[in-house]
Amino acid sequence: EIVLTQSPDFQSVTPKQKVTITCRASQNIHSNLHWYQQKPDQSPKVLIKYASQSFSGVPSRFSGSGSGTDFTLTISSLEPEDAATYYCHQSSSLPFTFGPGTKVDIK
Amino acid sequence: EVQLMETGGGLIQPGGSLRLSCAVSGSTVSNNYMSWVRQAPGKGLEWVSFIYSVGSTYYADSVKGRFTISRDNSKNTLYLQMNSLRAEDTAVYYCASSFKNPTFDYWGQGTLVIVSS
Repeated sequence: EIVLTQSPDFQSVTPKQKVTITCRASQNIHSNLHWYQQKPDQSPKVLIKYASQSFSGVPSRFSGSGSGTDFTLTISSLEPEDAATYYCHQSSSLPFTFGPGTKVDIK
Repeated sequence: EVQLMETGGGLIQPGGSLRLSCAVSGSTVSNNYMSWVRQAPGKGLEWVSFIYSVGSTYYADSVKGRFTISRDNSKNTLYLQMNSLRAEDTAVYYCASSFKNPTFDYWGQGTLVIVSS
């Protein structure tokens, strides 16, 4: 099973600040890494697919990068509505797995 | 617009069975990767199962042999039959879909399953 680790676990950020979340895979997953945002009491929503492809309708301040084992989700300028937990997910091999999540709070 | 709506959750005793449904509109279950993902209270996301266009099915080890994913193309609905339920199966169960690849592009609102005596 491919294990995904995320850092940090929690981040408290001022609006307009840049946010960087990393996801590391226990083995090479090429670009089969996706990012989701989950706000409190809501379903998750996909932000980025295949490491760097923005999903339709996602604000341009969200971007992704990386390949192999190391990946990054960047929010270029945090908005108050970006307070959420962010998860990475790999579809390289079964069982599909998620990272433990990174909670982003607004200062 | 793709919309998914789960139903069928509730309180069930350990060892019991439950069937979840996910009604899909704006897309067809037969042409999509259709998945179930669950989230225990206060915890992260866990992939449970998926079925894709040719009908192949896959399961997490934690549910293999107890859960069965299926679909009814005529009703455009996805199902998850859950047998031999355990306390650790308590979670919000989401259905999710994607057209061309095994990602989770669209999600339902989730249905809560509580396994408790």
